[in-house]
Amino acid sequence: DAGITQSPRHKVTETGTPVTLRCHQTENHRYMYWYRQDPGHGLRLIHYSYGVKDTDKGEVSDGYSVSRSKTEDFLLTLESATSSQTSVYFCAISETTGEQFFGPGTRLTVL
Amino acid sequence: GESVGLHLPTLSVQEGDNSIINCAYSNSASDYFIWYKQESGKGPQFIIDIRSNMDKRQGQRVTVLLNKTVKHLSLQIAATQPGDSAVYFCAENQGSARQLTFGSGTQLTVLP
Repeated sequence: DAGITQSPRHKVTETGTPVTLRCHQTENHRYMYWYRQDPGHGLRLIHYSYGVKDTDKGEVSDGYSVSRSKTEDFLLTLESATSSQTSVYFCAISETTGEQFFGPGTRLTVL
Repeated sequence: GESVGLHLPTLSVQEGDNSIINCAYSNSASDYFIWYKQESGKGPQFIIDIRSNMDKRQGQRVTVLLNKTVKHLSLQIAATQPGDSAVYFCAENQGSARQLTFGSGTQLTVLP
């Protein structure tokens, strides 16, 4: 998985609780991305980062925030989880060539 | 809004046959396209890419064709093997941060 790890790999939580997912890379790539994947859908971009402390919203950013204090780490936070945020979350990284390399994913269930 | 889409949600082929997976895109400004393979329980895996200044690009057993006139992208897999069974996504690049927009995927099943 191109030096990308995600933690936790699985999480079950309750509605209204905060949740933070972590993406860690060892490739020193500039760009990092968070996607969600739901049945019948492709991957939809939540947020992305184009450098330390530089982030921007994607297609489905409502209810999510991100932070990137170091090149290697990109955190995705659900401030108050809802059942609609039950999904599989993927982190990806890229440099300037365009291709993105994906992590193994985190399966999140919100009860 | 403009989006990337796939013609068929499922495709079944006999082992050893060639597979063709199609993708339509509508953003004429997209300049970069990628095909990904995703096996069950795993993250998407890069297969091959192509830039808009090219019509064809070949890899190991895979070929991507780009027809900018009709905004169509296809992935050809030669001599399809059981290990090729997966969901295949096309994606197009939009924006300066190398953002990708993904299609909804095609499930390829290889029959023995």
